[in-house]
Amino acid sequence: DAGVIQSPRHEVTEMGQEVTLRCKPISGHDYLFWYRQTMMRGLELLIYFNNNVPIDDSGMPEDRFSAKMPNASFSTLKIQPSEPRDSAVYFCASSSGLAGGDTQYFGPGTRLTVL
Amino acid sequence: GDSVTQMEGPVTLSEEAFLTINCTYTATGYPSLFWYVQYPGEGLQLLLKATKADDKGSNKGFEATYRKETTSFHLEKGSVQVSDSAVYFCALTERSGGSYIPTFGRGTSLIVHP
Repeated sequence: DAGVIQSPRHEVTEMGQEVTLRCKPISGHDYLFWYRQTMMRGLELLIYFNNNVPIDDSGMPEDRFSAKMPNASFSTLKIQPSEPRDSAVYFCASSSGLAGGDTQYFGPGTRLTVL
Repeated sequence: GDSVTQMEGPVTLSEEAFLTINCTYTATGYPSLFWYVQYPGEGLQLLLKATKADDKGSNKGFEATYRKETTSFHLEKGSVQVSDSAVYFCALTERSGGSYIPTFGRGTSLIVHP
């Protein structure tokens, strides 16, 4: 299995621009998570989906952030407009609740820099 | 709500030293407990887990025992190597309302010197 795939791996943009991060979960997994990691705040859960439906988005910092999961094999996290304080590493993770294995499988992350 | 508390790092050790990273948790029910490891420039990956009280998870020489009476899941290794240098995250998942909520600690950085 290819594992969780994220793109791009690195993104540098200017303040005010729209940023779209992409994630392909492991086939057959029915949970998908978006996290943000910074030195100051550690690993923060932003939102997660179950069977493509958003379950908890209470971690989304503000209305500039949105996430979608149009099908079981693709999800996006969008920031519009971006700000320098959004600079972080964004991780996507997936897991299967059906097999009883609650392990999360993380992608390699997208390092976002907003200038 | 649920929470996970880890000892602050960095933890700096010499090669072949004994490692302990403390982790305690609060949860309302019966969570599963995990240790994840993050190597530089990579995502987190599962190191070991335990799903019920008194279970011991183990992998690559690392061990942790699910202690419900002390709500702890301390990570140990008898002899660390330079290649163990990474950030270690304690985490739990607990089912709530048909779904489950993952909670991670802040992470503990381990630096092993030759």
